[in-house]
Amino acid sequence: AQTVTQSQPEMSVQEAETVTLSCTYDTSESDYYLFWYKQPPSRQMILVIRQEAYKQQNATENRFSVNFQKAAKSFSLKISDSQLGDAAMYFCAYRSASADKLIFGTGTRLQVFP
Amino acid sequence: KAGVTQTPRYLIKTRGQQVTLSCSPISGHRSVSWYQQTPGQGLQFLFEYFSETQRNKGNFPGRFSGRQFSNSRSEMNVSTLELGDSALYLCASSLVWANEKLFFGSGTQLSVL
Repeated sequence: AQTVTQSQPEMSVQEAETVTLSCTYDTSESDYYLFWYKQPPSRQMILVIRQEAYKQQNATENRFSVNFQKAAKSFSLKISDSQLGDAAMYFCAYRSASADKLIFGTGTRLQVFP
Repeated sequence: KAGVTQTPRYLIKTRGQQVTLSCSPISGHRSVSWYQQTPGQGLQFLFEYFSETQRNKGNFPGRFSGRQFSNSRSEMNVSTLELGDSALYLCASSLVWANEKLFFGSGTQLSVL
């Protein structure tokens, strides 16, 4: 069975600084997707970034980028130039290409200090 | 375009009662999936519907059921509520079945007393 592990329950960063959130996963499949979702106090899960496993190039969305290491089964999220609005719970998630459900990690609470 | 709408936002029920939660997907989206979020178990997949058919079901007891209507709106029902059913129930929609781009609603917070 696939699993997703986020080993950092909480992280903090100073405004304008850079922070990296860690995620590892376990799977025997070769074709899958990885995601980072943000959940602010409004509770809505917002897709931050997505990575297809068959793509070697790391995904980037503005200030958000990932470091995808397929062999190591690692998928970290880097947030550059952190803003107060980045404060939220961040969830790493896995989805097999042949299945239709997301498997989530336990989340990392990110605090951003001015 | 309106996002995924879940109603109600908050619910308080007592043990033994039943509850129905509603989810309206983004216009044009035909797939709806449901997730339960609790502090102890995290986010867990409940089920997914596409074209009024349940395509996949998570590991939950039969007290949890759902359905999808012809307009893609979905309802989730929990019968004989237990204290452990207290959770945030999130609905997500996507254009087609097994599409990786899921759009979530803000959830329904269910409290069972």
